[in-house]
Amino acid sequence: QKEVEQNSGPLSVPEGAIASLNCTYSDRGSQSFFWYRQYSGKSPELIMSIYSNGDKEDGRFTAQLNKASQYVSLLIRDSQPSDSATYLCARTGRGSTLGRLYFGRGTQLTVWP
Amino acid sequence: EAGVTQFPSHSVIEKGQTVTLRCDPISGHDNLYWYRRVMGKEIKFLLHFVKESKQDESGMPNNRFLAERTGGTYSTLKVQPAELEDSGVYFCASSQDLQGAFGYTFGSGTRLTVV
Repeated sequence: QKEVEQNSGPLSVPEGAIASLNCTYSDRGSQSFFWYRQYSGKSPELIMSIYSNGDKEDGRFTAQLNKASQYVSLLIRDSQPSDSATYLCARTGRGSTLGRLYFGRGTQLTVWP
Repeated sequence: EAGVTQFPSHSVIEKGQTVTLRCDPISGHDNLYWYRRVMGKEIKFLLHFVKESKQDESGMPNNRFLAERTGGTYSTLKVQPAELEDSGVYFCASSQDLQGAFGYTFGSGTRLTVV
C-alpha cells in the first residue's frame, strides 16, 4: 500500500473552472499535510498546508482535510492557465520519521484557455 | 532571502563513476533534507540533517550514497560508484522549524543521468 495516493490524472479543465485534486493516505496518525505545485523542470513549491479537519482557504485555493477518512483535497477556483502544473500531496511522518515528507506521485493539471 | 541552491543542475556520468551533489540551504536553517525522484515514481526521502548531525538516514538506498554536512552549513551527497538506477532528480530542501512540520523550501534539483 502506498503511503500517499493521488488521483492519477492527468486532469484537464477549462479556464475559470474549479479543479479538484484528491489524495488519500495510509497512516491514520499523520498530523500535517501539504500541497506542493511543481512546474516542469522546477522545484516543488509549497502552496497550502493543513493540520486540522475541515477547510482552509487561501485566495483561490481551498484545502480540505478529513482525518477520519484519511483524505485530503485541493480545490482551485477560477482556474488559470498559469495553474497548469503537477500538484503533489504530502504528509509528514511520525515519531522518528517526523522530519520526513511522504509524497504522492502527483496529479498533472492542465488549464486550457 | 536567497533560496535553497543546488548544483550542478545537471550531471551526466558513466556507470561506475563518482558524482558529488551540493546543496546550500537557506541561511539559518538547521534542518536540511535530501530527496530523490526516479522517473515515474514519487519523490522519496533520503535523509535529514539537523545542523551537522544525521537525524534520519533511513531513506538512503545503499552504502554507495554518502551525505555530509560539515559545519552545519552546506551539504554534499556523493554517489560512488554510480549505477544506472541512480538516475533521477535529487532535491535538497531546508526548513527553520524543528521538524519541517510547516513545510520545506526546496531547491531546484540536480538531474543526474547515469549512462
